[in-house]
This record gives sequence, C-alpha cells and structure tokens, in this order.
Amino acid sequence: DAMVIQNPRYQVTQFGKPVTLSCSQTLNHNVMYWYQQKSSQAPKLLFHYYDKDFNNEADTPDNFQSRRPNTSFCFLDIRSPGLGDAAMYLCATSRDAGRSSYEQYFGPGTRLTVT
Amino acid sequence: DQQVKQNSPSLSVQEGRISILNCDYTNSMFDYFLWYKKYPAEGPTFLISISSIKDKNEDGRFTVFLNKSAKHLSLHIVPSQPGDSAVYFCAASDTDKLIFGTGTRLQVFP
Repeated sequence: DAMVIQNPRYQVTQFGKPVTLSCSQTLNHNVMYWYQQKSSQAPKLLFHYYDKDFNNEADTPDNFQSRRPNTSFCFLDIRSPGLGDAAMYLCATSRDAGRSSYEQYFGPGTRLTVT
Repeated sequence: DQQVKQNSPSLSVQEGRISILNCDYTNSMFDYFLWYKKYPAEGPTFLISISSIKDKNEDGRFTVFLNKSAKHLSLHIVPSQPGDSAVYFCAASDTDKLIFGTGTRLQVFP
C-alpha cells in the first residue's frame, strides 16, 4: 500500500542535542509538509517542500530546519532542542499544490521527548 | 490567534444516534474546508470536504454543512457507529496550506 512512513515513532533526545526525524513516502507526491502538534493543540505547519522548493512558515523558529534530498524522503532537523520542542511531529504529503494540497496524507507521527 | 476553532474538546454519543461536530472560523478568505479523522497511533486521514461555493456536501453517513455568514461548519454523522470513535479535526484553507482546529474527541458508545 502506498503510504507515508515516519521513523522513529518515538524519539528521546537531550536538551540541546541535535535530533533528526525522518519521513518517507511511496505516493510519489510533489509536496511534503512538516507539522508540529503539542498536546491538545492544533497541528501547526512548520514548513513544506513543493518539489525542491522550500517554503518556511514565518513563525517557524530558526532552530528547525528541513532537507528533502529526493522526492521520497524529507527530514526535520532540530539543531538545539529545548523542552518546549517536545511534541508530536507529523509528516504529510499532497499530490500537488493549489487545490490538490487540500487532501493531505499523513504519517503516524514521531513523538519527541526532550529530557 | 486561532483562526479555526473547535470549542468542544469531546463529545459522547450513543450508537445509532446523530453526532454533530462543530467548527468556527474567523478568516473570511477561507474558501475550502475539510474534516480529518484521527485514530490513536495513526496520522489524520481525510474524511470529507466542502468548497465555499456550496453549503452542503454528503458522503454516505457523513454530511458537512457550511454557513458562510456565520463562519461556521458542522459535520453530521448518521447513524453513529462505535468505529467512528476518534478525534475529528476541522481544517480550512485559502492558499496552499491548511489551518487546523484543535480537534474534538468523539466517543460512540453501545
């Protein structure tokens, strides 16, 4: 089945220690998104890639970076995690931009704990 | 500033009855609205959507109603089934990105 895969499902890192979360997709979709969801809050878009074009949200902290080396993979790098970065991180894809971006396919998420 | 609001964090409904989940928005530029459903340990999955040019869209047991003047939409599930128990997110868009609400946890009991 075509899907969005996130590894690992659970990640524990230390305060200030860089961490990378991974996402891969077999849907061959052009757009990939990273969301942050804290407890009882709405998923919040951090950034997205349309093909190789990177689009950062204005309020995404500089501490968060992303890489998309090819169509299938996208990485979220947190350079110096703080306690406030503990959250569920959701990766999503959409076939294309515009109207096609509305139906997004989500991975199961990676729950990040910062100690 | 929350542009999409789901004011009921939870809802409990008996099997066979109607479930009504509500969502309010503040941005009049939103022109497309969606509902996503999320089971534990899974990512959200698309359920149903509606364009701002319509006021109703139906798909089987699921119907979404849009009231643009009130900036309000609702999801009706009839009849509710235990398998519908999940968190439901409302989302809205006017560009290439979605703005989500905080979700409503629906529990359908026998």
